Amino acid sequence: KAGVTQTPRYLIKTRGQQVTLSCSPISGHRSVSWYQQTPGQGLQFLFEYFSETQRNKGNFPGRFSGRQFSNSRSEMNVSTLELGDSALYLCASSSTTGRQETQYFGPGTRLLVL
Amino acid sequence: AQSVAQPEDQVNVAEGNPLTVKCTYSVSGNPYLFWYVQYPNRGLQFLLKYITGDNLVKGSYGFEAEFNKSQTSFHLKKPSALVSDSALYFCAVRDISSASKIIFGSGTRLSIRP
Repeated sequence: KAGVTQTPRYLIKTRGQQVTLSCSPISGHRSVSWYQQTPGQGLQFLFEYFSETQRNKGNFPGRFSGRQFSNSRSEMNVSTLELGDSALYLCASSSTTGRQETQYFGPGTRLLVL
Repeated sequence: AQSVAQPEDQVNVAEGNPLTVKCTYSVSGNPYLFWYVQYPNRGLQFLLKYITGDNLVKGSYGFEAEFNKSQTSFHLKKPSALVSDSALYFCAVRDISSASKIIFGSGTRLSIRP
């Protein structure tokens, strides 16, 4: 089975711009979660989607949004980028949204905001 | 509220020696506990998880973790460290009693010297 794929792998943007990141989960997985990883804040949960519905949301401003499509692929969008949004954005998929399900992570998208 | 703590930013061990990476957690209900490893410029890889049952959980790459309910700990262990084990390790917890999000610890950098 192919793993979780994320595109693009690297991205450079300037302040005020917006960005869209994409995640393709493992085939058959219906749950997708997004995380932000920074040296200062560590790994922080952004949101979780299951069957096109947002099931959980972390403590991030409304500039961060996401969606999931019928084929389980997911996108996250960050509008009005700030320098502090520079981070590694990780996507994880699992077959259900059950609490015991193991999440499998993609390689991440590294975003640099200048 | 749930939380997880990794009290050591870095652990240094000589190759061939046993290693322990510490993790303590706090949840209102019963926990699901996870360990992940992150190699440079890579996403997270699942190592092992505790759901219920035996307190000693065996995982990938020869790692194991011991669940201790009274001490609310879930320390990661390996009997004989390899240089290739050098990486960043994350402990994570999810509250079994609610559809809560997964919370990650701050990470522990494991360095194995030859």
